[in-house]
Amino acid sequence: DAGVIQSPRHEVTEMGQEVTLRCKPISGHDYLFWYRQTMMRGLELLIYFNNNVPIDDSGMPEDRFSAKMPNASFSTLKIQPSEPRDSAVYFCASSREGGLAKNIQYFGAGTRLSVL
Amino acid sequence: GNSVTQMEGPVTLSEEAFLTINCTYTATGYPSLFWYVQYPGEGLQLLLKATKADDKGSNKGFEATYRKETTSFHLEKGSVQVSDSAVYFCALSAGTYKYIFGTGTRLKVLA
Repeated sequence: DAGVIQSPRHEVTEMGQEVTLRCKPISGHDYLFWYRQTMMRGLELLIYFNNNVPIDDSGMPEDRFSAKMPNASFSTLKIQPSEPRDSAVYFCASSREGGLAKNIQYFGAGTRLSVL
Repeated sequence: GNSVTQMEGPVTLSEEAFLTINCTYTATGYPSLFWYVQYPGEGLQLLLKATKADDKGSNKGFEATYRKETTSFHLEKGSVQVSDSAVYFCALSAGTYKYIFGTGTRLKVLA
């Protein structure tokens, strides 16, 4: 399997612009997680989905952030408008409900976002 | 609520030294416990896990034992290598598929 695939790997944008991060989870996985990592705040869970349905979005910082999962093989995290304090590495992870690898989260390589 | 506490880093060791990274947790019920490793410029990857008390997880020379009486899951390795330099995260999962991560401990191994 190709693993969790995130795009783009790097994104540089200007304050006020819309940013869309993309994630393709591992095929057959039931859960998808979006995280943000910064030096100051460490690793934060933003939102997670089960079978394409958002379960917990309590970590989404504010209304500027939104996430969707239109189908089992694709999710987006959108920031509109972006601000410099959104600069971070954003990770997507996926896991499955059953089987030997039950509840093991597999992470993508991340998207490094810089908002100027 | 559930939480994970890890020792502060960075930890700097010479090659072949013994490693311990402390991790303690607070959780209701019987959580599953994990150690993840993050190499520079990469995402996190599972290092080892344990799902019940007294279980020992092991991988690549690393070990951790699930101690319910002390609510701990300390990571150990007998002889570290330069290639082990990374950030190590302790995590728990209790009742849901969501993880609670610790703050991470940076390990630097010198040749």
